[in-house]
Amino acid sequence: EVQLVESGGGLVQPGGSLRLSCIASGFPFSSYWMNWVRQTPGKGLEWVASIKQDGGEEFYVDSLRGRFTISRDNAKNSLYLQMNSLRVEDTAVYYCAREAGATCDYWGQGALVTVSS
Amino acid sequence: EIVMTQSPATLSVSPGERATLSCRASRSVSSRLAWYQQKPGQAPRLLIYGASTRATGIPVRFSGSGSGTEFTLTISSLQSEDFAIYYCQQYKDWPPEYTFGQGTKLEIK
Repeated sequence: EVQLVESGGGLVQPGGSLRLSCIASGFPFSSYWMNWVRQTPGKGLEWVASIKQDGGEEFYVDSLRGRFTISRDNAKNSLYLQMNSLRVEDTAVYYCAREAGATCDYWGQGALVTVSS
Repeated sequence: EIVMTQSPATLSVSPGERATLSCRASRSVSSRLAWYQQKPGQAPRLLIYGASTRATGIPVRFSGSGSGTEFTLTISSLQSEDFAIYYCQQYKDWPPEYTFGQGTKLEIK
């Protein structure tokens, strides 16, 4: 059974940093592109970033490039999202999602990130 | 950036009836279109990809159609578990880029 479990969410002050993790199981993690997608009440679902199977290529939504960094450790079946210079508008539920055929076929349960003073 | 527009925002349908949801792209996405279902407190679930192919385990009452800029998700006979929010999503192969519609809430009439 494919499982994706996010962790690392929480409350952070504006300007702060947070690192999300996602542990994958039930499939050959190193064979798949992986994504981060976030969901806010105001903007709905927003793709954040994608990373190639070997971590050699990363892509970001234009508005977040430079503040967020996606990475992975295939030995640990883990996906990460480093978020810096956080803003109130980054408050969202962050999902990790497996990519197959350029769609997200499996999603984690989400990690809530709240940016507030 | 390709903008995805879904209509209507809310659709009220009785159980057993057909529901038709629409999604329009601001420019052609060919058949690179997916549909997701989301229930409260849950992650989105992939229903349809390639505009018309059902994902694994998705019941046959769900069908997708369209290409270019106009797409439709049809649920042929609504079951109680189908009342949820539905999102369309376009995907650009290279470089990767995904954008979602704002969602259609399917509610019980």
